[in-house]
Amino acid sequence: ETGVTQTPRHLVMGMTNKKSLKCEQHLGHNAMYWYKQSAKKPLELMFVYSLEERVENNSVPSRFSPECPNSSHLFLHLHTLQPEDSALYLCASSPGLAGGLAYEQYFGPGTRLTVT
Amino acid sequence: SQQGEEDPQALSIQEGENATMNCSYKTSINNLQWYRQNSGRGLVHLILIRSNEREKHSGRLRVTLDTSKKSSSLLITASRAADTASYFCATGDFNKFYFGSGTKLNVKP
Repeated sequence: ETGVTQTPRHLVMGMTNKKSLKCEQHLGHNAMYWYKQSAKKPLELMFVYSLEERVENNSVPSRFSPECPNSSHLFLHLHTLQPEDSALYLCASSPGLAGGLAYEQYFGPGTRLTVT
Repeated sequence: SQQGEEDPQALSIQEGENATMNCSYKTSINNLQWYRQNSGRGLVHLILIRSNEREKHSGRLRVTLDTSKKSSSLLITASRAADTASYFCATGDFNKFYFGSGTKLNVKP
């Protein structure tokens, strides 16, 4: 195990539902990330948090809303999603963000989301 | 875009053979990393090579970096069936990573 857990592992939701994805890291890291992985597309970075402050928002639609209450927990709140949002959502953490250098990232197992 | 692109997209070899995957990127980098992903799971970090390094080893893995050609290669020696997975290169920046589409490796027992 990588020390990063994600719940739920699988989620099916209708387009009018509201749900949340949860990520928790047990590594004492200061940076956390949300990624989207769709079939046959490169991994897409969605959000980056450093010390609970959002430092990157990669032009993600507002129907995805991140929350980082502390450095160990990261949420992704979902509402009025579209079928094309169906994907594997991966959370990752790293020791920090260092100027000019990036650390290796530790990924959770992902949440497989299906929007019907 | 700094996005790395892996080549080939898919590779099928026999157990015991070596597997070589390549990654090309477009802009200057501080480091390049390789990750492995088993089907439907999270990515696992394999190795990080900095821009001032040319080669790095970790167990059966050997990574090279040629910044003049903006390319990197990952060599897995004496492959095993358990090496079957997708392999991604990622270029790092201050607060983000750029991943390629990956090479799908199938090691036949």
